[in-house]
Amino acid sequence: DTGVSQNPRHKITKRGQNVTFRCDPISEHNRLYWYRQTLGQGPEFLTYFQNEAQLEKSRLLSDRFSAERPKGSFSTLEIQRTEQGDSAMYLCASSSDRGQYEQYFGPGTRLTVT
Amino acid sequence: GENVEQHPSTLSVQEGDSAVIKCTYSDSASNYFPWYKQELGKRPQLIIDIRSNVGEKKDQRIAVTLNKTAKHFSLHITETQPEDSAVYFCAPQAGTALIFGKGTTLSVSS
Repeated sequence: DTGVSQNPRHKITKRGQNVTFRCDPISEHNRLYWYRQTLGQGPEFLTYFQNEAQLEKSRLLSDRFSAERPKGSFSTLEIQRTEQGDSAMYLCASSSDRGQYEQYFGPGTRLTVT
Repeated sequence: GENVEQHPSTLSVQEGDSAVIKCTYSDSASNYFPWYKQELGKRPQLIIDIRSNVGEKKDQRIAVTLNKTAKHFSLHITETQPEDSAVYFCAPQAGTALIFGKGTTLSVSS
């Protein structure tokens, strides 16, 4: 177990509803990343935090998506007005900034939009 | 942006054989080159990585080789076992984000 946890593990929602996911990184890691993975594809980068600052956002992150990391510990990813195309596995990863690059992933939240 | 390609997309070997997966990338600024293993329904698991100042790294049955001039790096698995069956992703890092390839499905039959 790498220590990154995510909740919930599964979420089924109806189109148009809002959903929020939570990620708890490895405790000493101050870098946190969100990725999205669809079936048969590799994970795609969404956004990156260093401590509480959101430093990078992918063009994949539409304005219906918002991520926060208010105290530099856990992070939330909210999707507003969900669409069927949002169905995917949402993965969180964390890493240290002490000259190390390794990103360790959580188990993911599988979102199904009906 | 970074363009990442993996070959082959599927690979079937007999237990005990070797397996090699190649990853090519386009961004010459990439300086970190990890490989992840993902079993069905599980999280991507970092299995080996290499930095741009090193040409080869080995960890027991797994090795990674890097050719920065040609912009490719490869995963080598020797003495394959059925539990090596999974999807393997290369994910060169350009900046902060890992850019994942489409994956290689490795099947090891006993």
